Amino acid sequence: AQSVTQLDSHVSVSEGTPVLLRCNYSSSYSPSLFWYVQHPNKGLQLLLKYTSAATLVKGINGFEAEFKKSETSFHLTKPSAHMSDAAEYFCVVKEDSGYSTLTFGKGTMLLVSP
Amino acid sequence: DAGVTQSPTHLIKTRGQQVTLRCSPISGHKSVSWYQQVLGQGPQFIFQYYEKEERGRGNFPDRFSARQFPNYSSELNVNALLLGDSALYLCASSLSQRRQETQYFGPGTRLLVL
Repeated sequence: AQSVTQLDSHVSVSEGTPVLLRCNYSSSYSPSLFWYVQHPNKGLQLLLKYTSAATLVKGINGFEAEFKKSETSFHLTKPSAHMSDAAEYFCVVKEDSGYSTLTFGKGTMLLVSP
Repeated sequence: DAGVTQSPTHLIKTRGQQVTLRCSPISGHKSVSWYQQVLGQGPQFIFQYYEKEERGRGNFPDRFSARQFPNYSSELNVNALLLGDSALYLCASSLSQRRQETQYFGPGTRLLVL
């Protein structure tokens, strides 16, 4: 069975400072990993995905994530936060086990102050 | 190209009623998945359809059912509505079921059960 743990329910940063959103996963098979962002009253937008190619994955809007198999982690980072980054972020795991469905973490709310 | 579309955007029902939610995938996508997102939580997998066949079912009661049509659009039906069914229902489409495939989400249907 697959599962995802997002270690922080809320993260607060100041504009211009680095962002770190932490995610650990559990998977019986070789997983694909994703980060999605959800702005208030909006659907989910894909930020980036890992599918067993390069372990450092670059996404949209300056975000990137590093897959660390030994630590079963897939943390999301951004060098400099922008006010528009304030949203909820979901770490997602997908296994290749016959049929592929997404398992979401509980989400991390990113708050950005001026 | 149009993204995933869902209708209606909002819906208010009373306990015991039945509801049908609709989803149109991105053109060329043959797989549709449904998720329920309760306020403050990550989305939970309900169903996956591929090539008009059910390929996966999450831990939801039999009151929930779905189908996929020859044009790959999909409907989610919920019978005997309960207050706890109040949630954002998200539809996602992908080209196939392969692990590496990205699921693209629609804006969701917000259901309120009174």
